[in-house]
Amino acid sequence: GENVEQHPSTLSVQEGDSAVIKCTYSDSASNYFPWYKQELGKRPQLIIDIRSNVGEKKDQRIAVTLNKTAKHFSLHITETQPEDSAVYFCAASYGSGGGNKLTFGTGTQLKVEL
Amino acid sequence: DTGVSQNPRHKITKRGQNVTFRCDPISEHNRLYWYRQTLGQGPEFLTYFQNEAQLEKSRLLSDRFSAERPKGSFSTLEIQRTEQGDSAMYLCASRPQGRTGTEAFFGQGTRLTVV
Repeated sequence: GENVEQHPSTLSVQEGDSAVIKCTYSDSASNYFPWYKQELGKRPQLIIDIRSNVGEKKDQRIAVTLNKTAKHFSLHITETQPEDSAVYFCAASYGSGGGNKLTFGTGTQLKVEL
Repeated sequence: DTGVSQNPRHKITKRGQNVTFRCDPISEHNRLYWYRQTLGQGPEFLTYFQNEAQLEKSRLLSDRFSAERPKGSFSTLEIQRTEQGDSAMYLCASRPQGRTGTEAFFGQGTRLTVV
């Protein structure tokens, strides 16, 4: 089955700096890679996603890059703000035989300090 | 609220008791997933339904766990003879079928504490 590894487990940045979180996956059949933000006690919420036919996607301060050959993808947050503090999870999935079920990484606790 | 709804939000039970959780997905979503999340970890897949059919079960889902989606709408997850190791957040998610790259929407989860 799919295995997703995520690094770092904790990340502390100063407000205004950039943050980068990296993930690797094992199953070459995976073709959809979402990133979820989870605040304490709340549901995971999608912040950005990328399909395997795209190498990069950007949405305001957030961007995701995908390298299918190396099987890794990264989340980039620029101009970080205190409200970006949360746990971020990467995930991978594929349709058809995979049922689009998500395999998550272990999470990155991001802390944006004033 | 037209999102995914889960009940109850919190459940405290004594070891050995049975518990049942409910998930109401977004109405037009025919795929429904159950995940379990323990502290400091990412959600782990348990099982999923396409309409009323349960199509896959993780090996994490022991025989004490059973899930149903009788009419292809809401789903229930039952845990029999609960153990302390069952303490976790149980998350439900739904999405439309057959559209790879479509967001899965999560419910608020049911936090289970087994004492």
